[in-house]
Amino acid sequence: EDKVVQSPLSLVVHEGDTVTLNCSYEVTNFRSLLWYKQEKKAPTFLFMLTSSGIEKKSGRLSSILDKKELFSILNITATQTGDSAIYLCAVEAPASGNTPLVFGKGTRLSVIA
Amino acid sequence: NAGVTQTPKFQVLKTGQSMTLQCAQDMNHEYMSWYRQDPGMGLRLIHYSVGAGITDQGEVPNGYNVSRSTTEDFPLRLLSAAPSQTSVYFCASSPQKREYNEQFFGPGTRLTVL
Repeated sequence: EDKVVQSPLSLVVHEGDTVTLNCSYEVTNFRSLLWYKQEKKAPTFLFMLTSSGIEKKSGRLSSILDKKELFSILNITATQTGDSAIYLCAVEAPASGNTPLVFGKGTRLSVIA
Repeated sequence: NAGVTQTPKFQVLKTGQSMTLQCAQDMNHEYMSWYRQDPGMGLRLIHYSVGAGITDQGEVPNGYNVSRSTTEDFPLRLLSAAPSQTSVYFCASSPQKREYNEQFFGPGTRLTVL
């Protein structure tokens, strides 16, 4: 059975801290891994990763994929209260059973001033 | 472009009632899907469609029906609502291109079944 496991499930940090969110996966026919940020409403897209070792970066956020060890990390540097959200990891695995996009349960990040 | 739209935003049903959650997208995306999100459970796929006239079951399909008569619309029907279907429902679409497969989510429908 395909699965995506995120850790930690929740995290509380102070403004200015650096955080690392983890996502490990076990799927057949891996195609890509996606990160989303969910604040009060719908998830919004952050990154899509398909190749190992190539860092994707957007401002203070960055992410990298390790296809050999089957995990990805999402880094946030100099955290701000606006980074408080649920961060979702999803793996695209077409033709893997009946769930072509498998989501983890998310990491709830709280950044306090 | 309006993106992905969902109606209603909120709904309260009594057990046994039926209703349809509407989803539409104007990006000409082939792939559309419905998820439910419950506390601590992440997003779970209910049904999905890879194109007009084609639908398939996801992880948690029981109690829900879908149809895809047009590329734009993908309604989700609850046949006989149960309290276990209390959840937030998200519709999503994506272009299903090999090089770029971002899912675009609608704003969600919060459903309560009493």
